Amino acid sequence: EPEVTQTPSHQVTQMGQEVILRCVPISNHLYFYWYRQILGQKVEFLVSFYNNEISEKSEIFDDQFSVERPDGSNFTLKIRSTKLEDSAMYFCASSGQQGASGNTIYFGEGSWLTVV
Amino acid sequence: GEDVEQSLFLSVREGDSSVINCTYTDSSSTYLYWYKQEPGAGLQLLTYIFSNMDMKQDQRLTVLLNKKDKHLSLRIADTQTGDSAIYFCAEISTDSWGKLQFGAGTQVVVTP
Repeated sequence: EPEVTQTPSHQVTQMGQEVILRCVPISNHLYFYWYRQILGQKVEFLVSFYNNEISEKSEIFDDQFSVERPDGSNFTLKIRSTKLEDSAMYFCASSGQQGASGNTIYFGEGSWLTVV
Repeated sequence: GEDVEQSLFLSVREGDSSVINCTYTDSSSTYLYWYKQEPGAGLQLLTYIFSNMDMKQDQRLTVLLNKKDKHLSLRIADTQTGDSAIYFCAEISTDSWGKLQFGAGTQVVVTP
């Protein structure tokens, strides 16, 4: 079964450092997303991406965050200058199309980011 | 704003049925989902239901939707120890596709 893959599974970084989380969405999917889950809290939407541009972003997704699809397969989330409160599990997700023909959104295993 | 609420914990005996409940507030919800998260793992899509449906069955899983009351439930028949996990309810609306609104998750513990 096709799956969304994420690397690294766990990263520890010092406050102020840049971090890039990588994702390979399901190959024929068109929509890509990042979510995060701070320990003990709800899974929160960060950003959606379609046709090489951001479709929607949440209030959390400020100027410290950016996303990119550098080639035909990878989808990355960059945090420019990490803060302690960025420590969380980051989930990448993808879906085929909007609406009835692409209503299933598949998640990766997550990348656990610890900022110290 | 939109909100999704779930009970936090459910204990069930192996072999019994589990029922996990969820309520949501967004009246423009079009799809409602159940995801399963095992310890240290990602979010596994279990099933989903379109808002014009009342019920969907998929093997041991039955989803019931009461759109009037904005209430969603997931029934797991013949619960097994492998069903122990956190179950997340999530909703999405067509005007904000991809922006899933998650509940806090229900921890299900299956006891022998």
